[in-house]
Amino acid sequence: AQTVTQSQPEMSVQEAETVTLSCTYDTSESNYYLFWYKQPPSRQMILVIRQEAYKQQNATENRFSVNFQKAAKSFSLKISDSQLGDTAMYFCALGRQGGSEKLVFGKGTKLTVNP
Amino acid sequence: DSGVTQTPKHLITATGQRVTLRCSPRSGDLSVYWYQQSLDQGLQFLIQYYNGEERAKGNILERFSAQQFPDLHSELNLSSLELGDSALYFCASSPHTTVGYTFGSGTRLTVV
Repeated sequence: AQTVTQSQPEMSVQEAETVTLSCTYDTSESNYYLFWYKQPPSRQMILVIRQEAYKQQNATENRFSVNFQKAAKSFSLKISDSQLGDTAMYFCALGRQGGSEKLVFGKGTKLTVNP
Repeated sequence: DSGVTQTPKHLITATGQRVTLRCSPRSGDLSVYWYQQSLDQGLQFLIQYYNGEERAKGNILERFSAQQFPDLHSELNLSSLELGDSALYFCASSPHTTVGYTFGSGTRLTVV
């Protein structure tokens, strides 16, 4: 079975600073994908960034980057130059390539960016 | 607008009733997924359809059922509703898993 664990229920950061959200996962698959989704107060689920397990290079999307440690099964999200609009729940998710395509989600980290 | 349309946005109903949630996937996406998000359970996978066929099933209650129609829209039917069914129900679509889902804005179901 695949599992995703987010050990930080809540975090806060000052505007313009950097914050890192943690995620660990477990899977027996060799090919898989990892995702970070953002859920602002509007409740919309928004894809922030994704990482293919076969790629060693860490994914980056503007101010968002990941630190993917495959051996440690760790997938953290770094948000640089935090903005008030980054205030949201952040969910880490794991998807298996091929077969059933469901995503397994962690329970989320509530991030608050303070002015 | 994500391109995935869910209706209605809000629904309030009584225990024992039946409701239908509707989802239109993003143009070109063949897969539709249904998730339930409640306060203490996070996002729970319910069921997936691919091009009209059931592809995978999660912890979906027997009181719940779904289908995907030839035009690829999907409906989630919830019957004999209980207070514990109150949650946010998301639909998502994808062409295939490698790009990640696109979510709809969800249906907030309140059972009173």
